[in-house]
Amino acid sequence: EIVLTQSPGTLSLSPGERATLSCRASQSVRSSNLAWYQQKPGQAPRLLIYGASSRATGIPDRFSGTGSGTNFALTISRLEPEDFAVYYCQQYGSSPLTFGGGTKVEIK
Amino acid sequence: QVQLVQSGAEVKKPGASVKVSCKASGYTFTSYYLHWVRQAPGQGLEWMGIINVSGGSTNYAQKFEDRVTMTRDTSTNIVYMELSRLRSDDTAVYYCARDQGGISIFVLWGQGTTVTVSS
Repeated sequence: EIVLTQSPGTLSLSPGERATLSCRASQSVRSSNLAWYQQKPGQAPRLLIYGASSRATGIPDRFSGTGSGTNFALTISRLEPEDFAVYYCQQYGSSPLTFGGGTKVEIK
Repeated sequence: QVQLVQSGAEVKKPGASVKVSCKASGYTFTSYYLHWVRQAPGQGLEWMGIINVSGGSTNYAQKFEDRVTMTRDTSTNIVYMELSRLRSDDTAVYYCARDQGGISIFVLWGQGTTVTVSS
């Protein structure tokens, strides 16, 4: 099973600042089959990025994903008020599917 | 519209079973796989397994293999997830989620079903 470790656990930033979230895999993620989700309280997760760097439909271009192998990152170029939430990475290159533990982006 | 609608909240005693339903609408039911993902209070997301809605085959996470059963009814467009021998740490929100054409990424989610296990 591929273990995904997200860091930091919490990121305290102000609106307009840049956020960089990390996701490290315990072994190489096949074909960069890595996705990022945003989750707000009481809601289901929302897909942001798939294939490590492709934005899902309707996702603003301030969200970008990079990485391959075992190291991946999600960058939010300029935080908007609605971006404060918890973010999860997920690998879908091998079974079982696994998620990272999440990074909370909170208002400083 | 395209949606997944899950059954309502459940309260169960330890040792009991729970069966959660997920009704699909707005798309061809048998063209997509469905997954179940759970989230304990204040915790992260945990994948439980997948069902091939067309053929009915399943693949469960090892952690749940001996306690979970996923089935589907193609006449009503409903997928079911049954979890047996419930424990307190099974208290969670359970989501069904549809894959994207055979790729296990999730754009379409159900609203979630809260299962509380308490004596």
